[in-house]
Amino acid sequence: SQQGEEDPQALSIQEGENATMNCSYKTSINNLQWYRQNSGRGLVHLILIRSNEREKHSGRLRVTLDTSKKSSSLLITASRAADTASYFCATDEARDYKLSFGAGTTVTVRA
Amino acid sequence: SQTIHQWPATLVQPVGSPLSLECTVEGTSNPNLYWYRQAAGRGLQLLFYSVGIGQISSEVPQNLSASRPQDRQFILSSKKLLLSDSGFYLCAWSVQGAYGYTFGSGTRLTVV
Repeated sequence: SQQGEEDPQALSIQEGENATMNCSYKTSINNLQWYRQNSGRGLVHLILIRSNEREKHSGRLRVTLDTSKKSSSLLITASRAADTASYFCATDEARDYKLSFGAGTTVTVRA
Repeated sequence: SQTIHQWPATLVQPVGSPLSLECTVEGTSNPNLYWYRQAAGRGLQLLFYSVGIGQISSEVPQNLSASRPQDRQFILSSKKLLLSDSGFYLCAWSVQGAYGYTFGSGTRLTVV
């Protein structure tokens, strides 16, 4: 079943701007992950944040997690045309091997 | 290094025909294996997962089945395809789900 929901569904920004997308989920989680999917390709793992972490950075990516609000955000700073893709959050519910994915946010970076 | 192979990349099959999609993993042992399906412009739906040889869990009752005949081989099958089986099928592996999934490049299946 789909647990995460991303917001917005689509985002269009100018190169160099920041892109922020949000994810809300319903049940308690072990960790939350963000993935990127280029058109027609498989998903690529970007970053994982555990339930006891509040913020994590990886290069131009910043992820926050608020377990009290059951929400997470992904910030891409100084966006590039190559960041054009769909971004998905996925939740690993506690003591479960399975990831539940949201419907994704489609990001378009204009040159 | 760990890699995942998924084939074929695209497939066009008539309604009622059988299906076999294969996924193999290299460079790791006893991975958790997953089959997901993605409808156009949508998120991923978990179809099957396996934590070991011969151990298959089905998430959604459907026209599909999965098998794991070897530790690093995961096969998605159907005896008779339906139009509704069209979609983008993704295989993935993980270790205990704690380090993120690694996805294959996907198979675009069109049932006509």
